[in-house]
Amino acid sequence: DAGVTQSPTHLIKTRGQQVTLRCSPKSGHDTVSWYQQALGQGPQFIFQYYEEEERQRGNFPDRFSGHQFPNYSSELNVNALLLGDSALYLCASSPGVDRGKETQYFGPGTRLLVL
Amino acid sequence: AQRVTQPEKLLSVFKGAPVELKCNYSYSGSPELFWYVQYSRQRLQLLLRHISRESIKGFTADLNKGETSFHLKKPFAQEEDSAMYYCALSGYNQGGKLIFGQGTELSVKP
Repeated sequence: DAGVTQSPTHLIKTRGQQVTLRCSPKSGHDTVSWYQQALGQGPQFIFQYYEEEERQRGNFPDRFSGHQFPNYSSELNVNALLLGDSALYLCASSPGVDRGKETQYFGPGTRLLVL
Repeated sequence: AQRVTQPEKLLSVFKGAPVELKCNYSYSGSPELFWYVQYSRQRLQLLLRHISRESIKGFTADLNKGETSFHLKKPFAQEEDSAMYYCALSGYNQGGKLIFGQGTELSVKP
């Protein structure tokens, strides 16, 4: 099991563009969460998907949207990119949402640079 | 407001010295506390969680609800402990949404 995988590893975009990041969860996991980690900061929760629906959302604007597919993989979309969106985007998966199943396993991240 | 504070950005100790990485939290409810670690060029991984009360790689952490703290301790630091350490909390039955602190870089010198 490769664990949580993310693609691409690095990405360079310009302001105003749109970007799609992808995540495949660890085998047996059905819940995917996305985090943004700015340089020198801890990860910040963006949103979480379970059963193809957004279950929870952090304090991020509507420019950030996502999707979960029937195979539990997920995409994070960011529209109208701003310089401040430059960060490491982390995907984490867990085997469920019930107590005791929430331990999250992180992917290697996608580093996004907005110029 | 839910918040995790790690007051030290960098902690430098010598091999064999005791280590304590501080974590304080603010949460109105029953939190679950975690320590995550990120070694150089590796992904973020769970080190320990308070409900399991395990000792992982010699590290322990005790939840002190009175002081709202969850400090990470190890009696004798090893060079391979050098890494970024993040304290995180999740609300009870909140499906694992994590709130992270800013992280503390631990440097263990030979």
